[in-house]
Amino acid sequence: GQNIDQPTEMTATEGAIVQINCTYQTSGFNGLFWYQQHAGEAPTFLSYNVLDGLEEKGRFSSFLSRSKGYSYLLLKELQMKDSASYLCAVRDSNYQLIWGAGTKLIIKP
Amino acid sequence: IAGITQAPTSQILAAGRRMTLRCTQDMRHNAMYWYRQDLGLGLRLIHYSNTAGTTGKGEVPDGYSVSRANTDDFPLTLASAVPSQTSVYFCASSEGERSEQFFGPGTRLTVL
Repeated sequence: GQNIDQPTEMTATEGAIVQINCTYQTSGFNGLFWYQQHAGEAPTFLSYNVLDGLEEKGRFSSFLSRSKGYSYLLLKELQMKDSASYLCAVRDSNYQLIWGAGTKLIIKP
Repeated sequence: IAGITQAPTSQILAAGRRMTLRCTQDMRHNAMYWYRQDLGLGLRLIHYSNTAGTTGKGEVPDGYSVSRANTDDFPLTLASAVPSQTSVYFCASSEGERSEQFFGPGTRLTVL
């Protein structure tokens, strides 16, 4: 079966750095996405990795290791507005997205 | 403003009733998707359409149907609603199946 695992909830302090991990087992791999979802809102696209390595975009970075079936999202200089759920999704061999349940990130002052 | 709209925003529905959730995008994206999101679960694909005139079944298609008569619209119909269809429904679109997906604001549906 196909499976995406990520922690249910994490807590971090404003101004700090947090790493959200995602491991996956899917039928095929055609890229990994990270989305942000604030409570009661729609998911919005953050990053995309298809090759191994680190992709940096401002305060957010995403890393991929295809051999390990592993990715992480790194958030630096945390702000209160970063309090949200972070969704990991893998595009499988049929080009459909398989989604993790999301990690709820709580930022404390 | 370019994007995806969904209607209604929320709905309470009696079990057994028929309901159509509407989704319209103005980005001229080829691919469109319907997901449901339930607490503790990831987004689950109900149906998708890679281009106007074609549709396909996702992970949880039972009890739902879709049509794609044109590029912009992708309605989702519940023929006879059941309480297990209580969920938040998101419509999404992408330029193609290889691109990132953009999401509508969602419809919160409660079936009693």
